Amino acid sequence: DVKVTQSSRYLVKRTGEKVFLECVQDMDHENMFWYRQDPGLGLRLIYFSYDVKMKEKGDIPEGYSVSREKKERFSLILESASTNQTSMYLCASSPGTAKNEQYFGPGTRLTVT
Amino acid sequence: AQKITQTQPGMFVQEKEAVTLDCTYDTSDPSYGLFWYKQPSSGEMIFLIYQGSYDQQNATEGRYSLNFQKARKSANLVISASQLGDSAMYFCAMRGGDYSSNTGKLIFGQGTTLQVKP
Repeated sequence: DVKVTQSSRYLVKRTGEKVFLECVQDMDHENMFWYRQDPGLGLRLIYFSYDVKMKEKGDIPEGYSVSREKKERFSLILESASTNQTSMYLCASSPGTAKNEQYFGPGTRLTVT
Repeated sequence: AQKITQTQPGMFVQEKEAVTLDCTYDTSDPSYGLFWYKQPSSGEMIFLIYQGSYDQQNATEGRYSLNFQKARKSANLVISASQLGDSAMYFCAMRGGDYSSNTGKLIFGQGTTLQVKP
């Protein structure tokens, strides 16, 4: 079974702190994704990566950066957390096949106070 | 531009009955894929079923089937014999175009909350 893990289920940070959200997948998938999910807005893509050290902006990249130094790990960085970044963050990976279905981690519920 | 629309914010179904969750999409790409995901209250997104745009038959996975009507650009999810554990939010998603096919990038609908009544 594909396993996508995220470093924390719940996280509370203060405004202005630098926040790291880690995601690891164990199936040698090519592609990895970070989404945020807010009520009424569905899932919105923040960044994705289709290869090691390769990244592309999604729909809402402002205030975020990412890092993919190894194939299995994709990190989301909030350089200076703000209250409007309070959200559920979901990481996903996909294998790069024709079907290319995404497998998700359990999510991190981040609260910025 | 590609778009996914789920018009039912919430639905109820009686246990053991069938239910249809609606999804319409818009794309100009001839090759695309459609997905359904389930999100229980625990938060994890679970992949349910996939339909490719060139697939001749509707996809089925156990109690899940996808009613794919290409001309109408609809990809409704049918859950047969509903169970209490089916209570969750359900998302329709689409992958389209050569670039999206390579990267696996998806766009998601707003979701439909399904509640199964005992």
